[in-house]
Amino acid sequence: KAGVTQTPRYLIKTRGQQVTLSCSPISGHRSVSWYQQTPGQGLQFLFEYFSETQRNKGNFPGRFSGRQFSNSRSEMNVSTLELGDSALYLCASSLGYDYTFGSGTRLTVV
Amino acid sequence: DQQVKQNSPSLSVQEGRISILNCDYTNSMFDYFLWYKKYPAEGPTFLISISSIKDKNEDGRFTVFLNKSAKHLSLHIVPSQPGDSAVYFCAASDSGAGSYQLTFGKGTKLSVIP
Repeated sequence: KAGVTQTPRYLIKTRGQQVTLSCSPISGHRSVSWYQQTPGQGLQFLFEYFSETQRNKGNFPGRFSGRQFSNSRSEMNVSTLELGDSALYLCASSLGYDYTFGSGTRLTVV
Repeated sequence: DQQVKQNSPSLSVQEGRISILNCDYTNSMFDYFLWYKKYPAEGPTFLISISSIKDKNEDGRFTVFLNKSAKHLSLHIVPSQPGDSAVYFCAASDSGAGSYQLTFGKGTKLSVIP
């Protein structure tokens, strides 16, 4: 079966721009979570969506937002990009308590 | 405040020997624990999990042990293979809180030497 698909794989943006990342979960999975991985902070939880509703949000500024569509696909948006937003952004989908991750989107802010 | 800690940033083991990766947690509400393996520029791959109602779970070469009183878990890989070389992350969740998130440790880089 198809896994979690994230697009694009790589992205380079300039400070001040905004970016949208996409995630398609495993078929049948209604929960989608987003995580940010940086060398200094490790993997940190951004937010989680279930049936188009955000159920939980991590400790990130309001510049980070997301949404989920009726087909469970999810997008996250980062506005007014800062250099510190450079990271690997990972999406995970789940049916229960085991989470399957995508390959991530590597965002570089210059 | 780091709720999940992996105190060894790296570990080197000879091929064929046992690899033991450790993880400590501070939040007593955590009741479900997972181990992930990660290669650079890829997403984490799920390895094995354990619920707090158990103290051991096995899957092939991988065994996870949970000591609730010590708030400690460990992942044993036997025998270790060169393909096991990767970064291993311990993660925990509080399934009762409805928080729907994983809290990760910062990872241990395992190197299996042929």
